[in-house]
Formats: sequence, C-alpha cells, structure tokens
Amino acid sequence: NAGVTQTPKFRVLKTGQSMTLLCAQDMNHEYMYWYRQDPGMGLRLIHYSVGEGTTAKGEVPDGYNVSRLKKQNFLLGLESAAPSQTSVYFCASSHLGPTHEQFFGPGTRLTVL
Amino acid sequence: SQQGEEDPQALSIQEGENATMNCSYKTSINNLQWYRQNSGRGLVHLILIRSNEREKHSGRLRVTLDTSKKSSSLLITASRAADTASYFCAMDTGTASKLTFGTGTRLQVTL
Repeated sequence: NAGVTQTPKFRVLKTGQSMTLLCAQDMNHEYMYWYRQDPGMGLRLIHYSVGEGTTAKGEVPDGYNVSRLKKQNFLLGLESAAPSQTSVYFCASSHLGPTHEQFFGPGTRLTVL
Repeated sequence: SQQGEEDPQALSIQEGENATMNCSYKTSINNLQWYRQNSGRGLVHLILIRSNEREKHSGRLRVTLDTSKKSSSLLITASRAADTASYFCAMDTGTASKLTFGTGTRLQVTL
C-alpha cells in the first residue's frame, strides 16, 4: 500500500514554462485535494475533487488547472509558471471528505526562476 | 484571512515536559482535526474531534474543543525528541467539501 504518491519530488522551472504535477492514491478514496504551503501561511487549498470527473476551485486557484480523469489520479497543471508559484505542493486524499482524515503525499518542491 | 489561528507560533520545551498548543477559529464547525508535519514531509493525521465532543484522547495526545469560545487545544504529554514537528489544526466548516488549515505551531523538543 503506497498511500498517496506525488511526482516529481523537485522541479525548477523558468518563468512561462508549463508543467504537470501528478498525484496518485491507491486507497480508493473519492476526495482528492491540491494544496500549496508557503512559509508562515499554513496550507492553502488550490483545487479539489469529490469524485472521478469532478473538480472545484479552492482558495487560490488562479494560475492552476486540474483534472481527475481516473479516480486514483489527480493532476495539477501550471500553464505559464510565475515566480509567485514557487512553493511546496501537497496532494491529499480522503475517503468521505472533511468528515474524515486526509492522507497526504510527500510533497513537490517547485521553484520558478 | 485564515479560518484558524494557532498559538503559539513556536514552542521549545525539554524532553519529558508537556506541550500545549491552541487553535482558534472564526465560524461554526462540524469537526476539528489535528495534523503533524515533520520537516520536509507531508502532514499526518493525529486526531479528529467532532463539534458535539469536548475532549478526546489518543495515546499521549489530548484534544479539547470549546465551541462557545471557538477554540481547541492539543496537549502532548511527556514529550519526546521525536515529537519535534509542526502541528496544524484543520476545520470542517461545512462549506464545500474541504478542510481549512490553521497557520501551525512549530514544536521543538530538546534532550
């Protein structure tokens, strides 16, 4: 049981480049989340999904897009990276949403130059 | 602004002492959860307390919830060096299908 995995672990981008972060979970969870973590800010929700084929905006969705084509995968895309998107990105999944615990991946450290 | 504010921002204690951290929130909640984050790692769920509960225990952890004051506290008893981490509260406000995280408390336990 791998739990929640994230790919890649580290990435450096130049301003304007695009990339996709992959999150995968093997717990058959319905809910999946993408957060960013910046110093002193705690975790802020970017986008989330309540099931395969669904997505919804969180607190800070601008500059990001997501897709949930398969239940076990949740992709986060940056179409044109900006230095303000330098952050650590965490994916999480949950069986039945906020009434249950969330399981987190190890994170992706992204630097945009 | 953040739904949850944690206090203190940082706490340094010696091994064997108790550590208490507090979380205050702004709106009513369905449940409140506590998570731990070791440096450079993802968050790990510690405990969930529902709005109709006042206290909950899990091993060396004790969580209290006071909905009238909109606050919760996490007590770690007999702390160990391995407890060194950041601790976050997270609230289910019933608004959409998500949790809102606090700003975290950094706990340092020294030998």
